[in-house]
Amino acid sequence: AQTVTQSQPEMSVQEAETVTLSCTYDTSENNYYLFWYKQPPSRQMILVIRQEAYKQQNATENRFSVNFQKAAKSFSLKISDSQLGDTAMYFCAFMGSNDYKLSFGAGTTVTVRA
Amino acid sequence: SQTIHQWPATLVQPVGSPLSLECTVEGTSNPNLYWYRQAAGRGLQLLFYSVGIGQISSEVPQNLSASRPQDRQFILSSKKLLLSDSGFYLCAWGRDNIWTGELFFGEGSRLTVL
Repeated sequence: AQTVTQSQPEMSVQEAETVTLSCTYDTSENNYYLFWYKQPPSRQMILVIRQEAYKQQNATENRFSVNFQKAAKSFSLKISDSQLGDTAMYFCAFMGSNDYKLSFGAGTTVTVRA
Repeated sequence: SQTIHQWPATLVQPVGSPLSLECTVEGTSNPNLYWYRQAAGRGLQLLFYSVGIGQISSEVPQNLSASRPQDRQFILSSKKLLLSDSGFYLCAWGRDNIWTGELFFGEGSRLTVL
């Protein structure tokens, strides 16, 4: 089974600043997918960004971008120009290329301060 | 548009009592369906997933079971609850015909076993 590790239980960032969340994973597969999901307080979890392992270019979605380092099995999320609405728990997730299930990390709670 | 509903939102049950959590998806057909449990500091643990009616894959051996009696209905059950079953349960669905790994989550059900 794949292991996803998020080593930062909590992070705090000032509004308009940048914060980077780390994620590492363990797999023997060459093709797979990586995700960052966001769970706001008392709200439903939603997908933030998705990365295919065969793509060298890092994915970007507006203020959210990733740094995908395949050899190091690292997949960090950068939130630029942080907004109060970014306050949430963020989960890193892994899925094999021929799989229907996602393995999630323990999550990182991000608090954006006004 | 597609929606997902799960109920009840909150449940307090005594040890040894039965459990039934229900999840229904609307606006799509033949979705992949999932039950996850979220525990503090441990992230999301995949309990069961289903890629079709009557097809259930169990990820963690325990006293819980899942059933999919209809295409868009997924039920999580237990005959006798344990204290360790307390937690936040999330139902999710994914598009089977355009499988990208994106999951759409319900609002969650918080179970407290006393």
